[in-house]
Amino acid sequence: AQSVTQLGSHVSVSEGALVLLRCNYSSSVPPYLFWYVQYPNQGLQLLLKYTSAATLVKGINGFEAEFKKSETSFHLTKPSAHMSDAAEFFCAVRGNYGGSQGNLIFGKGTKLSVKP
Amino acid sequence: ETGVTQSPTHLIKTRGQQVTLRCSSQSGHNTVSWYQQALGQGPQFIFQYYREEENGRGNFPPRFSGLQFPNYSSELNVNALELDDSALYLCASSSQLAPQETQYFGPGTRLLVL
Repeated sequence: AQSVTQLGSHVSVSEGALVLLRCNYSSSVPPYLFWYVQYPNQGLQLLLKYTSAATLVKGINGFEAEFKKSETSFHLTKPSAHMSDAAEFFCAVRGNYGGSQGNLIFGKGTKLSVKP
Repeated sequence: ETGVTQSPTHLIKTRGQQVTLRCSSQSGHNTVSWYQQALGQGPQFIFQYYREEENGRGNFPPRFSGLQFPNYSSELNVNALELDDSALYLCASSSQLAPQETQYFGPGTRLLVL
């Protein structure tokens, strides 16, 4: 069965500092992995996804993530945080696509705060 | 291109009542998935509809049911509401049934059960 663990429910960085949000996955099949962002009182917006092409995936708003099979990780980074990056971030793995190919399995989320 | 829309945005119900939530998928999308997001948690998969048929279900009781219409819009129905059903309900659509396909989320319906 697939699962996702996000380390750190809350991360705080200063404006201009590196953002690192951690995600580890468990999957019995080659994983499809996603990072979504949720701003207050809004739905989820896709930042980026890994679909077995390049291991370094670039997304929107300067975010990127690297798939590391040996570490079962898919950490999200951004070199320089902006105040507008403050939001909650969710890592997700596609469910057992032998059956339902639709479901995403989400981590509990990491809330990012950016200090001026 | 119109994105995924949901209605209503907010809803207050009492225990034991029934509720219907609605979702219009993005233009050209034939697959709709529903998720429940409790406060402080990640979204949890309820079920998915593909071309009007249920195509997978998460760990939710039968009082959670759904429909997909010929125009691929969808409804989520919850009977006999319980306090723990209070959550943000998210609808997501995608253009095909493939594991790498992106799901596009609507803004959600926030349900409060008193």
